[in-house]
Amino acid sequence: EVQLVQSGTEVKKPGESLKISCKASGYNFISYWVAWVRQRPGEGLEWMGNVFPHDSDTRYRPSLQGQVSISADKSINTVYLQWTSLKASDTAIYYCARGGDVTAMDWFDSWGHGTLVTVSS
Amino acid sequence: QPVVTQPPSVSGTPGQRVTISCSGSSSNIGKNSVYWYQQFPGMAPKVLIYRINQRPSGVPDRFSGSRSGTSAALAISGLRSEDEADYYCAAWDDSLSGPVFGGGTKLTVL
Repeated sequence: EVQLVQSGTEVKKPGESLKISCKASGYNFISYWVAWVRQRPGEGLEWMGNVFPHDSDTRYRPSLQGQVSISADKSINTVYLQWTSLKASDTAIYYCARGGDVTAMDWFDSWGHGTLVTVSS
Repeated sequence: QPVVTQPPSVSGTPGQRVTISCSGSSSNIGKNSVYWYQQFPGMAPKVLIYRINQRPSGVPDRFSGSRSGTSAALAISGLRSEDEADYYCAAWDDSLSGPVFGGGTKLTVL
């Protein structure tokens, strides 16, 4: 069974750094893209970027390039999403999601449970 | 920023057939596969339809997808109370070089 287990709720202040994680199991981790999808309170889904763990090829939503960093550690089947300086507008639920099939980046067949990040002074 | 538009809400009564529309452009729905996700409050999304009209195993055949030009639609027949959820369409967008989601549609079963 494919599972994506995300790290827990975070409460941070503006300007702080943060790294959240998504640990994968139940499939060949290096063969599927893993994406991060943001959902701000009361809003819809927004693709942020994804990583291919085999070679750490990473793609970003253009508006988020330089704002976040996505990485993968294939030794522990884990994908990360990182900020160096959080803003209040980063308050959201962040989902990791696996590509729907090998090499697929356009859809997601398995999702993590989500990590709530709250940024407030 | 590419835009994919869905109605904010639709409603229907049990047993009825409802359709959720999804309007995009030639850079997304018009040329790439369309996907539909279902999301219950407080839960992660789940894929309902992939590659325009394919259902993952376990998804009832009451759910069906279609595409015409730069628009797509999700049809739900034999509506049930447990179908009450948010529904999102999505497609790869060539200008974004990534998937774009519609704004989501809240389905209410009256």
